[in-house]
Amino acid sequence: QVQLVESGGGVVQPGGSLRLSCAASGFSFSRHFMHWVRQAPGKGLEWVALIRPDGKIQNYAESVKGRFTISRDNSKNTLYLQMNSLRGDDTAVYYCAKDLDGSWTVDYWGQGTLVTVSS
Amino acid sequence: DIVMTQTPLSSPVTLGQPATISCGSSQSLVHSNGNTHLSWFQQRPGQPPRLLIYKVSNRFSGVPDRFSGSGAGTDFTLKISRVEAEDVGVYYCMQSTQFPWTFGQGTKVEIK
Repeated sequence: QVQLVESGGGVVQPGGSLRLSCAASGFSFSRHFMHWVRQAPGKGLEWVALIRPDGKIQNYAESVKGRFTISRDNSKNTLYLQMNSLRGDDTAVYYCAKDLDGSWTVDYWGQGTLVTVSS
Repeated sequence: DIVMTQTPLSSPVTLGQPATISCGSSQSLVHSNGNTHLSWFQQRPGQPPRLLIYKVSNRFSGVPDRFSGSGAGTDFTLKISRVEAEDVGVYYCMQSTQFPWTFGQGTKVEIK
Protein backbone atom coordinates (compact mmCIF):
# COMPACT_ATOMS: atom_id res chain seq x y z
CA GLN A 1 0.00 0.00 0.00
CA VAL A 2 1.06 3.61 -0.50
CA GLN A 3 3.20 4.98 2.31
CA LEU A 4 4.63 8.45 2.66
CA VAL A 5 6.77 9.14 5.73
CA GLU A 6 8.00 12.65 6.39
CA SER A 7 10.97 13.46 8.60
CA GLY A 8 13.31 16.33 9.39
CA GLY A 9 10.97 18.66 11.25
CA GLY A 10 11.93 20.40 14.45
CA VAL A 11 12.54 23.76 16.08
CA VAL A 12 14.64 26.29 14.19
CA GLN A 13 15.42 29.94 14.77
CA PRO A 14 14.15 32.66 12.44
CA GLY A 15 16.48 32.95 9.49
CA GLY A 16 17.59 29.34 9.85
CA SER A 17 17.34 26.39 7.50
CA LEU A 18 15.87 22.92 7.59
CA ARG A 19 15.57 20.06 5.11
CA LEU A 20 12.51 17.85 5.14
CA SER A 21 12.44 14.38 3.62
CA CYS A 22 9.58 12.17 2.52
CA ALA A 23 10.24 8.47 2.02
CA ALA A 24 7.80 6.91 -0.44
CA SER A 25 6.85 3.28 -0.93
CA GLY A 26 4.06 1.17 -2.36
CA PHE A 27 3.87 2.91 -5.72
CA SER A 28 6.07 3.85 -8.68
CA PHE A 29 7.55 7.01 -7.19
CA SER A 30 9.45 8.01 -10.33
CA ARG A 31 6.20 8.21 -12.33
CA HIS A 32 4.35 10.65 -10.10
CA PHE A 33 4.24 14.37 -9.51
CA MET A 34 4.84 15.04 -5.83
CA HIS A 35 3.76 17.89 -3.59
CA TRP A 36 4.34 19.58 -0.27
CA VAL A 37 1.33 21.06 1.53
CA ARG A 38 1.47 22.74 4.93
CA GLN A 39 -0.93 23.51 7.75
CA ALA A 40 -0.22 26.11 10.40
CA PRO A 41 -1.42 25.15 13.90
CA GLY A 42 -5.21 25.34 14.04
CA LYS A 43 -5.39 26.71 10.50
CA GLY A 44 -6.29 25.52 7.02
CA LEU A 45 -4.27 23.90 4.26
CA GLU A 46 -1.77 25.73 2.07
CA TRP A 47 -0.23 24.19 -1.03
CA VAL A 48 3.54 24.81 -1.02
CA ALA A 49 5.25 23.21 -4.01
CA LEU A 50 5.11 20.61 -6.76
CA ILE A 51 7.79 18.71 -8.67
CA ARG A 52 7.50 16.82 -11.94
CA PRO A 53 8.35 13.10 -12.03
CA ASP A 54 11.73 13.73 -13.69
CA GLY A 55 12.52 16.55 -11.26
CA LYS A 56 13.07 19.11 -14.02
CA ILE A 57 10.02 21.29 -13.36
CA GLN A 58 8.97 22.78 -10.02
CA ASN A 59 6.26 25.19 -9.01
CA TYR A 60 5.98 27.14 -5.77
CA ALA A 61 3.56 29.19 -3.73
CA GLU A 62 4.48 32.85 -3.78
CA SER A 63 4.96 32.78 0.00
CA VAL A 64 7.93 30.39 -0.28
CA LYS A 65 9.37 31.21 -3.71
CA GLY A 66 13.07 31.97 -3.52
CA ARG A 67 13.37 30.49 -0.01
CA PHE A 68 12.21 26.86 -0.42
CA THR A 69 13.43 24.28 -2.94
CA ILE A 70 11.61 21.05 -3.74
CA SER A 71 13.68 18.20 -5.11
CA ARG A 72 13.60 14.44 -5.44
CA ASP A 73 15.87 11.43 -5.72
CA ASN A 74 14.06 8.80 -7.73
CA SER A 75 16.80 6.25 -7.01
CA LYS A 76 15.96 6.57 -3.31
CA ASN A 77 12.19 7.09 -3.66
CA THR A 78 12.57 10.24 -1.62
CA LEU A 79 11.15 13.74 -1.87
CA TYR A 80 12.83 16.73 -0.23
CA LEU A 81 12.01 20.27 0.80
CA GLN A 82 14.96 22.55 1.53
CA MET A 83 13.73 25.48 3.57
CA ASN A 84 15.95 28.55 3.99
CA SER A 85 15.42 31.98 5.55
CA LEU A 86 12.69 30.55 7.73
CA ARG A 87 10.14 32.91 9.30
CA GLY A 88 7.60 32.57 12.07
CA ASP A 89 4.76 32.18 9.59
CA ASP A 90 6.46 29.07 8.18
CA THR A 91 5.55 27.28 11.42
CA ALA A 92 3.32 24.41 10.31
CA VAL A 93 2.88 20.71 9.84
CA TYR A 94 4.37 19.87 6.45
CA TYR A 95 2.75 17.06 4.49
CA CYS A 96 4.08 15.37 1.40
CA ALA A 97 1.47 14.07 -1.01
CA LYS A 98 1.44 12.17 -4.29
CA ASP A 99 -0.62 13.03 -7.30
CA LEU A 100 -3.56 10.97 -8.49
CA ASP A 101 -2.23 9.84 -11.84
CA GLY A 102 -3.81 11.77 -14.68
CA SER A 103 -6.23 13.68 -12.50
CA TRP A 104 -4.28 16.73 -11.33
CA THR A 105 -5.00 16.40 -7.64
CA VAL A 106 -3.38 14.66 -4.68
CA ASP A 107 -4.60 11.35 -3.31
CA TYR A 108 -2.31 9.99 -0.60
CA TRP A 109 -0.76 12.11 2.14
CA GLY A 110 1.88 11.40 4.75
CA GLN A 111 1.28 11.94 8.46
CA GLY A 112 3.23 15.20 8.37
CA THR A 113 6.23 16.65 10.19
CA LEU A 114 6.05 19.73 12.42
CA VAL A 115 8.34 22.68 11.77
CA THR A 116 8.45 25.35 14.46
CA VAL A 117 10.26 28.60 13.76
CA SER A 118 10.93 30.34 17.02
CA SER A 119 13.73 32.07 18.89
CA ASP B 1 -4.57 33.62 -7.18
CA ILE B 2 -7.95 31.90 -7.27
CA VAL B 3 -9.79 32.44 -3.99
CA MET B 4 -11.92 29.55 -2.74
CA THR B 5 -14.78 30.41 -0.39
CA GLN B 6 -16.63 27.75 1.59
CA THR B 7 -19.98 28.03 3.34
CA PRO B 8 -20.89 27.36 6.02
CA LEU B 9 -17.73 27.37 8.14
CA SER B 10 -19.45 25.20 10.72
CA SER B 11 -22.19 22.64 10.22
CA PRO B 12 -23.82 20.92 13.20
CA VAL B 13 -25.70 17.91 11.85
CA THR B 14 -27.93 15.24 13.36
CA LEU B 15 -26.77 11.68 12.79
CA GLY B 16 -28.50 10.19 9.77
CA GLN B 17 -29.38 13.59 8.34
CA PRO B 18 -27.82 15.13 5.21
CA ALA B 19 -25.11 17.77 5.17
CA THR B 20 -24.24 20.14 2.35
CA ILE B 21 -21.10 22.23 1.94
CA SER B 22 -20.73 24.87 -0.75
CA CYS B 23 -17.54 26.06 -2.35
CA GLY B 24 -17.21 29.02 -4.67
CA SER B 25 -14.22 30.09 -6.71
CA SER B 26 -13.24 33.63 -7.70
CA GLN B 27 -12.91 32.52 -11.32
CA SER B 28 -13.96 29.62 -13.47
CA LEU B 29 -12.20 26.34 -12.73
CA VAL B 30 -12.57 25.01 -16.25
CA HIS B 31 -9.07 24.16 -17.45
CA SER B 32 -7.91 24.64 -21.03
CA ASN B 33 -7.94 20.84 -21.28
CA GLY B 34 -11.71 20.89 -20.64
CA ASN B 35 -11.50 19.38 -17.17
CA THR B 36 -12.61 21.13 -14.01
CA HIS B 37 -10.05 20.51 -11.30
CA LEU B 38 -12.03 20.77 -8.08
CA SER B 39 -11.39 18.31 -5.26
CA TRP B 40 -12.81 17.72 -1.80
CA PHE B 41 -10.83 16.50 1.21
CA GLN B 42 -11.84 15.33 4.66
CA GLN B 43 -9.55 15.88 7.63
CA ARG B 44 -10.47 14.01 10.78
CA PRO B 45 -9.03 15.31 14.07
CA GLY B 46 -5.33 14.57 14.31
CA GLN B 47 -5.17 13.03 10.84
CA PRO B 48 -3.82 14.13 7.47
CA PRO B 49 -6.34 15.09 4.80
CA ARG B 50 -8.04 12.33 2.83
CA LEU B 51 -9.17 12.70 -0.77
CA LEU B 52 -12.92 12.21 -1.19
CA ILE B 53 -13.85 13.67 -4.59
CA TYR B 54 -11.82 14.80 -7.61
CA LYS B 55 -12.72 16.55 -10.84
CA VAL B 56 -15.95 17.80 -9.24
CA SER B 57 -17.85 14.54 -8.96
CA ASN B 58 -15.51 11.52 -9.10
CA ARG B 59 -15.46 9.57 -5.87
CA PHE B 60 -11.97 8.35 -4.91
CA SER B 61 -11.32 4.68 -4.24
CA GLY B 62 -12.83 3.46 -0.98
CA VAL B 63 -14.96 6.56 -0.35
CA PRO B 64 -18.50 5.66 0.74
CA ASP B 65 -21.23 6.48 -1.75
CA ARG B 66 -22.98 8.74 0.76
CA PHE B 67 -20.43 11.36 -0.36
CA SER B 68 -21.15 13.09 -3.65
CA GLY B 69 -19.85 16.15 -5.45
CA SER B 70 -21.47 18.38 -8.02
CA GLY B 71 -21.19 21.77 -9.63
CA ALA B 72 -19.62 23.59 -12.54
CA GLY B 73 -17.75 26.77 -13.38
CA THR B 74 -17.43 28.61 -10.08
CA ASP B 75 -19.98 26.91 -7.82
CA PHE B 76 -19.53 23.48 -6.28
CA THR B 77 -21.17 21.34 -3.63
CA LEU B 78 -20.24 18.40 -1.44
CA LYS B 79 -23.18 16.41 -0.06
CA ILE B 80 -23.20 13.78 2.63
CA SER B 81 -26.50 11.98 2.23
CA ARG B 82 -26.68 10.57 5.77
CA VAL B 83 -24.07 11.77 8.24
CA GLU B 84 -22.36 9.12 10.34
CA ALA B 85 -20.25 9.64 13.47
CA GLU B 86 -17.05 8.92 11.51
CA ASP B 87 -17.78 11.89 9.20
CA VAL B 88 -16.89 14.40 11.92
CA GLY B 89 -14.02 16.59 10.81
CA VAL B 90 -13.09 19.51 8.61
CA TYR B 91 -13.83 19.45 4.89
CA TYR B 92 -11.81 21.42 2.35
CA CYS B 93 -12.36 22.15 -1.32
CA MET B 94 -9.29 22.69 -3.47
CA GLN B 95 -8.78 24.03 -6.96
CA SER B 96 -5.91 22.71 -9.06
CA THR B 97 -6.84 24.33 -12.35
CA GLN B 98 -4.34 27.14 -11.93
CA PHE B 99 -1.14 27.60 -9.93
CA PRO B 100 -0.93 28.18 -7.07
CA TRP B 101 -3.35 25.48 -6.05
CA THR B 102 -5.63 26.94 -3.39
CA PHE B 103 -7.91 25.59 -0.68
CA GLY B 104 -11.10 26.84 0.88
CA GLN B 105 -11.02 27.86 4.55
CA GLY B 106 -12.54 24.57 5.65
CA THR B 107 -15.97 23.58 6.98
CA LYS B 108 -16.21 21.88 10.34
CA VAL B 109 -18.83 19.13 10.44
CA GLU B 110 -19.89 18.15 13.92
CA ILE B 111 -22.72 16.15 15.44
CA LYS B 112 -25.53 18.02 17.17
